[in-house]
Amino acid sequence: GEDVEQSLFLSVREGDSSVINCTYTDSSSTYLYWYKQEPGAGLQLLTYIFSNMDMKQDQRLTVLLNKKDKHLSLRIADTQTGDSAIYFCADDYSGTYKYIFGTGTRLKVLA
Amino acid sequence: NAGVTQTPKFQVLKTGQSMTLQCAQDMNHNSMYWYRQDPGMGLRLIYYSASEGTTDKGEVPNGYNVSRLNKREFSLRLESAAPSQTSVYFCASSAPTGVKGEQFFGPGTRLTVL
Repeated sequence: GEDVEQSLFLSVREGDSSVINCTYTDSSSTYLYWYKQEPGAGLQLLTYIFSNMDMKQDQRLTVLLNKKDKHLSLRIADTQTGDSAIYFCADDYSGTYKYIFGTGTRLKVLA
Repeated sequence: NAGVTQTPKFQVLKTGQSMTLQCAQDMNHNSMYWYRQDPGMGLRLIYYSASEGTTDKGEVPNGYNVSRLNKREFSLRLESAAPSQTSVYFCASSAPTGVKGEQFFGPGTRLTVL
Protein backbone atom coordinates (compact mmCIF):
# COMPACT_ATOMS: atom_id res chain seq x y z
CA GLY A 1 0.00 0.00 0.00
CA GLU A 2 0.89 3.63 -0.19
CA ASP A 3 2.99 5.18 2.53
CA VAL A 4 3.94 8.58 3.95
CA GLU A 5 7.07 9.00 6.06
CA GLN A 6 8.29 11.78 8.34
CA SER A 7 11.00 12.17 10.93
CA LEU A 8 9.65 12.02 14.47
CA PHE A 9 11.27 15.02 16.16
CA LEU A 10 12.62 18.48 15.38
CA SER A 11 13.94 21.04 17.81
CA VAL A 12 14.63 24.68 16.86
CA ARG A 13 15.32 27.95 18.64
CA GLU A 14 12.70 30.69 18.72
CA GLY A 15 13.12 33.02 15.75
CA ASP A 16 14.86 30.42 13.58
CA SER A 17 13.26 28.71 10.59
CA SER A 18 11.89 25.18 10.90
CA VAL A 19 11.82 22.74 8.02
CA ILE A 20 9.72 19.60 8.33
CA ASN A 21 10.15 16.97 5.64
CA CYS A 22 7.89 14.26 4.28
CA THR A 23 8.21 11.59 1.61
CA TYR A 24 5.31 9.74 0.04
CA THR A 25 4.81 6.93 -2.44
CA ASP A 26 1.40 7.70 -4.03
CA SER A 27 1.96 8.59 -7.72
CA SER A 28 -1.63 9.76 -8.19
CA SER A 29 -2.19 12.13 -5.29
CA THR A 30 -4.16 15.24 -6.16
CA TYR A 31 -3.57 17.23 -2.98
CA LEU A 32 -0.99 17.00 -0.23
CA TYR A 33 -1.69 18.53 3.15
CA TRP A 34 -0.03 19.71 6.32
CA TYR A 35 -2.05 19.40 9.51
CA LYS A 36 -1.13 20.70 12.96
CA GLN A 37 -2.05 18.99 16.22
CA GLU A 38 -1.72 20.89 19.47
CA PRO A 39 -1.56 18.99 22.78
CA GLY A 40 -4.83 17.28 23.68
CA ALA A 41 -6.59 18.44 20.54
CA GLY A 42 -7.63 17.17 17.15
CA LEU A 43 -5.87 18.03 13.91
CA GLN A 44 -6.37 21.30 12.07
CA LEU A 45 -5.51 21.98 8.45
CA LEU A 46 -2.49 24.26 8.24
CA THR A 47 -1.98 24.42 4.51
CA TYR A 48 -2.18 22.28 1.39
CA ILE A 49 -0.70 22.14 -2.10
CA PHE A 50 -2.16 20.95 -5.38
CA SER A 51 -0.01 18.27 -6.95
CA ASN A 52 0.82 20.30 -10.07
CA MET A 53 2.37 23.11 -8.01
CA ASP A 54 6.00 23.35 -6.92
CA MET A 55 5.61 25.88 -4.16
CA LYS A 56 2.98 27.61 -2.10
CA GLN A 57 3.52 30.47 0.31
CA ASP A 58 1.09 31.47 3.02
CA GLN A 59 2.41 34.13 5.43
CA ARG A 60 5.13 32.40 7.51
CA LEU A 61 4.54 29.05 5.84
CA THR A 62 6.19 27.81 2.65
CA VAL A 63 5.35 24.44 1.15
CA LEU A 64 7.72 22.92 -1.40
CA LEU A 65 6.76 19.94 -3.52
CA ASN A 66 9.21 17.87 -5.54
CA LYS A 67 6.91 15.53 -7.40
CA LYS A 68 9.72 13.68 -9.14
CA ASP A 69 11.27 12.68 -5.81
CA LYS A 70 7.89 12.53 -4.02
CA HIS A 71 9.19 14.91 -1.37
CA LEU A 72 7.15 17.52 0.46
CA SER A 73 8.45 20.05 2.94
CA LEU A 74 6.97 22.67 5.24
CA ARG A 75 9.07 25.67 6.20
CA ILE A 76 7.96 27.85 9.10
CA ALA A 77 9.74 31.21 9.16
CA ASP A 78 10.45 33.01 12.45
CA THR A 79 9.32 30.02 14.51
CA GLN A 80 7.53 30.92 17.74
CA THR A 81 6.87 28.93 20.92
CA GLY A 82 3.22 28.75 19.85
CA ASP A 83 4.33 26.69 16.85
CA SER A 84 5.29 23.80 19.16
CA ALA A 85 3.00 20.97 18.08
CA ILE A 86 2.90 17.80 16.04
CA TYR A 87 2.82 18.34 12.27
CA PHE A 88 1.32 15.71 10.01
CA CYS A 89 1.86 15.34 6.32
CA ALA A 90 -1.10 13.71 4.51
CA ASP A 91 -1.79 12.45 1.03
CA ASP A 92 -5.29 12.27 -0.45
CA TYR A 93 -4.65 8.70 -1.66
CA SER A 94 -5.09 9.15 -5.38
CA GLY A 95 -7.83 11.71 -4.97
CA THR A 96 -10.10 9.48 -2.88
CA TYR A 97 -9.69 11.67 0.25
CA LYS A 98 -9.10 8.53 2.29
CA TYR A 99 -6.05 10.20 3.71
CA ILE A 100 -2.74 8.50 4.30
CA PHE A 101 -1.04 10.23 7.19
CA GLY A 102 2.60 10.32 8.08
CA THR A 103 3.73 9.48 11.60
CA GLY A 104 3.84 13.15 12.55
CA THR A 105 6.85 15.34 13.44
CA ARG A 106 6.92 16.75 16.93
CA LEU A 107 8.30 20.29 16.73
CA LYS A 108 9.77 21.72 19.91
CA VAL A 109 10.60 25.42 19.94
CA LEU A 110 13.19 26.49 22.50
CA ALA A 111 12.96 30.00 23.95
CA ASN B 1 -21.53 26.08 15.22
CA ALA B 2 -19.76 23.36 17.25
CA GLY B 3 -18.00 21.65 14.31
CA VAL B 4 -17.25 18.00 15.09
CA THR B 5 -18.08 16.74 18.57
CA GLN B 6 -17.13 13.42 20.12
CA THR B 7 -18.27 11.66 23.27
CA PRO B 8 -16.93 10.52 25.60
CA LYS B 9 -13.60 12.34 25.97
CA PHE B 10 -12.07 9.57 28.09
CA GLN B 11 -12.99 5.93 28.67
CA VAL B 12 -11.48 2.97 30.48
CA LEU B 13 -12.74 -0.49 29.59
CA LYS B 14 -11.92 -4.02 30.68
CA THR B 15 -11.01 -6.61 28.09
CA GLY B 16 -14.18 -8.02 26.53
CA GLN B 17 -16.43 -5.07 27.32
CA SER B 18 -18.23 -3.24 24.55
CA MET B 19 -18.79 0.44 23.93
CA THR B 20 -19.86 2.93 21.30
CA LEU B 21 -18.01 6.13 20.48
CA GLN B 22 -20.29 8.88 19.29
CA CYS B 23 -19.53 11.55 16.70
CA ALA B 24 -21.67 14.34 15.32
CA GLN B 25 -21.02 17.23 12.93
CA ASP B 26 -23.12 20.30 12.27
CA MET B 27 -21.45 21.46 9.05
CA ASN B 28 -23.75 19.52 6.68
CA HIS B 29 -20.79 17.45 5.47
CA ASN B 30 -21.36 14.37 3.37
CA SER B 31 -18.28 12.36 4.36
CA MET B 32 -17.26 11.21 7.81
CA TYR B 33 -14.25 9.22 9.05
CA TRP B 34 -12.96 7.35 12.07
CA TYR B 35 -9.21 7.24 12.78
CA ARG B 36 -7.05 5.88 15.52
CA GLN B 37 -3.82 7.55 16.60
CA ASP B 38 -1.00 5.51 18.10
CA PRO B 39 2.47 6.76 19.04
CA GLY B 40 4.92 6.58 16.14
CA MET B 41 2.22 5.40 13.73
CA GLY B 42 0.37 8.55 12.80
CA LEU B 43 -3.36 8.33 12.13
CA ARG B 44 -4.82 5.23 10.56
CA LEU B 45 -8.26 5.10 8.96
CA ILE B 46 -10.63 2.60 10.57
CA TYR B 47 -13.85 3.20 8.63
CA TYR B 48 -15.30 5.97 6.55
CA SER B 49 -18.69 6.97 5.19
CA ALA B 50 -18.67 8.79 1.86
CA SER B 51 -22.32 9.77 2.25
CA GLU B 52 -25.36 9.02 4.35
CA GLY B 53 -26.26 5.34 4.06
CA THR B 54 -22.83 4.12 2.99
CA THR B 55 -19.86 2.88 4.98
CA ASP B 56 -16.60 1.27 3.94
CA LYS B 57 -13.54 -0.24 5.56
CA GLY B 58 -10.31 1.66 5.94
CA GLU B 59 -6.84 0.40 6.76
CA VAL B 60 -7.53 -1.14 10.20
CA PRO B 61 -11.23 -2.18 10.48
CA ASN B 62 -10.85 -5.44 12.42
CA GLY B 63 -12.59 -5.38 15.81
CA TYR B 64 -14.76 -2.36 14.94
CA ASN B 65 -18.17 -1.67 13.46
CA VAL B 66 -19.73 1.61 12.41
CA SER B 67 -23.16 3.11 11.86
CA ARG B 68 -23.97 6.19 9.83
CA LEU B 69 -27.15 7.01 11.69
CA ASN B 70 -28.00 10.07 9.59
CA LYS B 71 -26.08 12.81 7.84
CA ARG B 72 -24.89 14.31 11.15
CA GLU B 73 -23.90 11.23 13.14
CA PHE B 74 -21.34 8.47 12.68
CA SER B 75 -20.71 6.05 15.54
CA LEU B 76 -17.90 3.55 16.12
CA ARG B 77 -18.56 0.37 18.11
CA LEU B 78 -16.11 -1.94 19.82
CA GLU B 79 -17.96 -5.21 20.39
CA SER B 80 -15.33 -6.92 22.54
CA ALA B 81 -12.54 -4.55 23.51
CA ALA B 82 -8.92 -5.74 23.49
CA PRO B 83 -5.80 -4.07 24.96
CA SER B 84 -4.56 -3.53 21.36
CA GLN B 85 -7.46 -1.12 20.92
CA THR B 86 -6.02 1.26 23.51
CA SER B 87 -5.61 4.41 21.47
CA VAL B 88 -6.88 7.91 20.79
CA TYR B 89 -9.83 7.88 18.41
CA PHE B 90 -10.64 10.80 16.14
CA CYS B 91 -13.73 11.43 14.10
CA ALA B 92 -13.53 13.76 11.11
CA SER B 93 -15.83 15.08 8.42
CA SER B 94 -15.38 16.69 5.03
CA ALA B 95 -17.40 18.37 2.30
CA PRO B 96 -16.91 18.39 -1.46
CA THR B 97 -16.65 22.18 -1.55
CA GLY B 98 -14.15 24.54 0.02
CA VAL B 99 -10.54 23.41 0.34
CA LYS B 100 -10.57 20.19 -1.60
CA GLY B 101 -10.60 17.29 0.79
CA GLU B 102 -10.09 19.34 3.94
CA GLN B 103 -11.09 17.27 6.92
CA PHE B 104 -12.37 18.76 10.16
CA PHE B 105 -11.46 16.80 13.26
CA GLY B 106 -13.13 16.32 16.61
CA PRO B 107 -11.17 16.62 19.87
CA GLY B 108 -10.69 12.86 20.23
CA THR B 109 -11.63 10.08 22.64
CA ARG B 110 -8.84 8.61 24.76
CA LEU B 111 -9.61 4.92 25.28
CA THR B 112 -7.72 2.58 27.57
CA VAL B 113 -8.47 -1.15 27.56
CA LEU B 114 -7.15 -3.04 30.58
